[in-house]
Amino acid sequence: NAGVTQTPKFRVLKTGQSMTLLCAQDMNHEYMYWYRQDPGMGLRLIHYSVGEGTTAKGEVPDGYNVSRLKKQNFLLGLESAAPSQTSVYFCASSYRRCSPLHFGNGTRLTVT
Amino acid sequence: KQEVTQIPAALSVPEGENLVLNCSFTDSAIYNLQWFRQDPGKGLTSLLLIQSSQREQTSGRLNASLDKSSGRSTLYIAASQPGDSATYLCAVCALEETSGSRLTFGEGTQLTVNP
Repeated sequence: NAGVTQTPKFRVLKTGQSMTLLCAQDMNHEYMYWYRQDPGMGLRLIHYSVGEGTTAKGEVPDGYNVSRLKKQNFLLGLESAAPSQTSVYFCASSYRRCSPLHFGNGTRLTVT
Repeated sequence: KQEVTQIPAALSVPEGENLVLNCSFTDSAIYNLQWFRQDPGKGLTSLLLIQSSQREQTSGRLNASLDKSSGRSTLYIAASQPGDSATYLCAVCALEETSGSRLTFGEGTQLTVNP
């Protein structure tokens, strides 16, 4: 049982480049989330999904897009990376709202 | 807007000591509260979840309490070990009409247990 798997683990981008972060969960969870974690700012919700085919904006959605075409996968896209998007990105999933969250091990992204 | 505060930001204790980590929140209209552990370079691992109707939850050497009316939770770690060294975060979850739920995290307490 792998839980929540994120790829890649590390990535360096130049300003203006694009990339997609992949998240996969094998627990049949309905809810999936993308967070970013920055020193002094804690965890902030970027986008989330309450089921296959649904997405919604979180606290800091600007500059990011998401898709949930399959229940087990949640993709986070950066269309034109900016240095302010340098962060550690975490994907998480839960069975339903307010149930225990399961996190991936994160993607460390640096934008130069 | 819900705010979650964890004090102290860092704590260093000798091995074997019992310790308490604190979490406070400003809005008592919560559904539940979770405690997480984060090891360096890793994601968060859920330790305990306390429903708003509960007073405490226990798992092994960990005991979490909740006083919803005063907006406080504590995580008690008994007989601390070097392997307990990590950052501990609390998060409160509230139900919302538009989004379904909102989870608000504290910034965590970085615990170091010295051998």
